[in-house]
Amino acid sequence: AQSVTQLGSHVSVSEGALVLLRCNYSSSVPPYLFWYVQYPNQGLQLLLKYTSAATLVKGINGFEAEFKKSETSFHLTKPSAHMSDAAEYFCAVSDRSNYQLIWGAGTKLIIKP
Amino acid sequence: DGGITQSPKYLFRKEGQNVTLSCEQNLNHDAMYWYRQDPGQGLRLIYYSQIVNDFQKGDIAEGYSVSREKKESFPLTVTSAQKNPTAFYLCASSRGLTDTQYFGPGTRLTVL
Repeated sequence: AQSVTQLGSHVSVSEGALVLLRCNYSSSVPPYLFWYVQYPNQGLQLLLKYTSAATLVKGINGFEAEFKKSETSFHLTKPSAHMSDAAEYFCAVSDRSNYQLIWGAGTKLIIKP
Repeated sequence: DGGITQSPKYLFRKEGQNVTLSCEQNLNHDAMYWYRQDPGQGLRLIYYSQIVNDFQKGDIAEGYSVSREKKESFPLTVTSAQKNPTAFYLCASSRGLTDTQYFGPGTRLTVL
């Protein structure tokens, strides 16, 4: 069965600095990979989705993620953090057998002024 | 505007009571889902429905029940059998099981 690991429950960066949120999945290649963002007391919003069309996926709000099969990773990056990026970010992969989403535990992104 | 609505936003329940959380979508999606979210954990699937009048248990279905009588609606009942129901509940929908899931704003349930 698929599993997802997000390294770091909290990540703190300064405004204007690079954002890097890490996501690793288990070794069998999932059909789809996702990053979602959640603001406090709200639902989840899709940032981007990997569907095997291209290894570098661009999403909303300046975020992008790169699929690296050799590293079983799908890390999320943004060149320059804004205060409005402060939120919790979830990585998810779809299970190949039933397409249910398997979720990471989430990473809270903290932006320092 | 198309979207998913959940009501109420906050819900308080006494121990031993059943409560029903509402989820409605006007996206014309076939598939709908209920997730539970606890602090420090990812989302856990409670139930999902691929089509009207059909639904399947997810990973943590015990103590919950659902119905899918209409395409637009997928209510979740938290029964008194659920031992630890205090959590944030999220409803989602997608065109099909392989398509992107879109989420409602959530309902925070607190058992007093």
